[in-house]
Amino acid sequence: LAKTTQPISMDSYEGQEVNITCSHNNIATNDYITWYQQFPSQGPRFIIQGYKTKVTNEVASLFIPADRKSSTLSLPRVSLSDTAVYYCLVGLKGSGNTGKLIFGQGTTLQVKP
Amino acid sequence: EAGVTQFPSHSVIEKGQTVTLRCDPISGHDNLYWYRRVMGKEIKFLLHFVKESKQDESGMPNNRFLAERTGGTYSTLKVQPAELEDSGVYFCASSQDQYPYYEQYFGPGTRLTVT
Repeated sequence: LAKTTQPISMDSYEGQEVNITCSHNNIATNDYITWYQQFPSQGPRFIIQGYKTKVTNEVASLFIPADRKSSTLSLPRVSLSDTAVYYCLVGLKGSGNTGKLIFGQGTTLQVKP
Repeated sequence: EAGVTQFPSHSVIEKGQTVTLRCDPISGHDNLYWYRRVMGKEIKFLLHFVKESKQDESGMPNNRFLAERTGGTYSTLKVQPAELEDSGVYFCASSQDQYPYYEQYFGPGTRLTVT
């Protein structure tokens, strides 16, 4: 299984750019890298997904180096409402890929005024 | 477009009782997943439906848990009899695509408390 490692927590201030890096040394050739966000008392919410290089959407950017053994979620100019838990996920390695998500502890981002 | 809905939002039952959780996925989503988070632990996969068929139930903890998906629409997760360790938040998610696309839409969860 592709295990992910990310910081347990991070602090930031409003208006700053936040970068959360995730390590996934066991990533398989066909695996995609996906990030989810979870606010208290809500279900996780899909943020962004990528395979290699860089992906950008209206919410965030995802940077993936050539070896794909890590990825960095970049949140531009965070606000207080970005305070949440951020999960980095990669696909299953091996057979039986059914789309199930494997969540780690995630990174708790606290944005301060 | 309506999102994934779950009912009830909160359930408190006594040990030994039965509880049934319901999930209504986004219309047209063939894939439906159940996850749960028990206190202090990570969110764990329980099972995956493709339409009305169970694609993967490797995460179901034991035979006290029974999941069904009637006609490939809504799904129910029954816990019978409930034990204290079943307390936690149960999430349902749905998606159109499977691997390698992991964009799943989660419901708000059902908080289950077993006393």
